[in-house]
Amino acid sequence: NAGVMQNPRHLVRRRGQEARLRCSPMKGHSHVYWYRQLPEEGLKFMVYLQKENIIDESGMPKERFSAEFPKEGPSILRIQQVVRGDSAAYFCASSLGQASYEQYFGPGTRLTVT
Amino acid sequence: GENVEQHPSTLSVQEGDSAVIKCTYSDSASNYFPWYKQELGKGPQLIIDIRSNVGEKKDQRIAVTLNKTAKHFSLHITETQPEDSAVYFCAASTPRTGANNLFFGTGTRLTVIP
Repeated sequence: NAGVMQNPRHLVRRRGQEARLRCSPMKGHSHVYWYRQLPEEGLKFMVYLQKENIIDESGMPKERFSAEFPKEGPSILRIQQVVRGDSAAYFCASSLGQASYEQYFGPGTRLTVT
Repeated sequence: GENVEQHPSTLSVQEGDSAVIKCTYSDSASNYFPWYKQELGKGPQLIIDIRSNVGEKKDQRIAVTLNKTAKHFSLHITETQPEDSAVYFCAASTPRTGANNLFFGTGTRLTVIP
């Protein structure tokens, strides 16, 4: 049973470019969370999605960041016009359902903005 | 929102000794408290969790205790082994309509000295 998959594992972008991070939840999971981790810090919640719906985006920066979880395919976190401060590890987690608390994390995407 | 504090930030123990990590939370409505282990370059791994209707939970060498009145919870690892060396994060979840996002502590770097 495959776990949460994320790709790419490492992504390098120049300032001003776009970054697209992908997350495929565990089989049978329909809920996806995105978190950001700065070096030597804990994880910060960004956004929570179900299929075709954004449930909670209270942790997402208002500009340049967007997320989607289409009916088919992976969830995507998109960062437009990246800046150096966007450099971080981005993790997605999936859970079975709203009533299920356990969240299982993927290996993360390490974004470096040069 | 919820605020989770975690102590200590670093912890070194001799192999075979016990390790204790403590966390406090601010929102009395929080009802789910997981612990994650993160190894270098990997995503957080759920190792144990506890819900607010339980005071203690144990799984082999790992145990978690919860004091709802004082709003703190702790991770106990007994008979530590070198492979326990990692960064450990506590988290809390406050139920809100349709969302179970986690609020993380800042992490404890545990080193088990052989």
